[in-house]
Amino acid sequence: EVVLTQSPATLSLSPGERATLSCRASQSISNYLAWYQQKPGQPPRLLIYDASNRATGIPARFSGSGSGTDFTLTISSLEPEDFAVYYCQQRVHWPPLTFGGGTKVEIK
Amino acid sequence: EVQLLESGGGLVQPGGSLRLSCAASGFTSSTFFMAWVRQAPGKGLEWVSAVDGRSGRSDDTYYADSVKGRFTMSRDISKNTLSLQMHSLRPEDTAIYFCAKTLRSGTADMIFDFWGQGALVTVSS
Repeated sequence: EVVLTQSPATLSLSPGERATLSCRASQSISNYLAWYQQKPGQPPRLLIYDASNRATGIPARFSGSGSGTDFTLTISSLEPEDFAVYYCQQRVHWPPLTFGGGTKVEIK
Repeated sequence: EVQLLESGGGLVQPGGSLRLSCAASGFTSSTFFMAWVRQAPGKGLEWVSAVDGRSGRSDDTYYADSVKGRFTMSRDISKNTLSLQMHSLRPEDTAIYFCAKTLRSGTADMIFDFWGQGALVTVSS
């Protein structure tokens, strides 16, 4: 099973700041990583797939990078609606599909 | 417009059974991998099961070890719905259960581009 470790667990930032979230895989997953955003009381929303491809309708301030075992989600300038929990997910070695434990981006 | 609507959640005693449904609209779910993903209260996401969307394999199903042998995922092509039959429920199965659609039809891409709002299952005496 591929274990995904996200860091930090919580990121405290102000609107307008840059957010950098990390996801590390326990073995190489090539570029088969997705990122999701989840707000309270809502289902997850696909942001990025295959490490760097933005999903339909996702603003350009969201970008993803990485391959192999180390991945990064960057939000270039935080908007008020970006404060949420972010999850990574791998799809190359399944079953089981696995998710990271999440990073909460909170307002400082 | 793609929509996924879960139903069937509720309170059940340990050892009991429950059946969740997911009504899909705006697309033909039989040609996509579809999945159930759950989220325990205050916790992260956990994949539960998936059903194949590739031609000739649309009945193939896959399960997390934590639910294998207790949960059964199926689909009704005529109604464009999915189901998750859950037996021998445990307190640790308490979660919101989301139905999710994958991005590309006919492939095992396992990228979830649409999610339902979820159904809450509570296992407690």
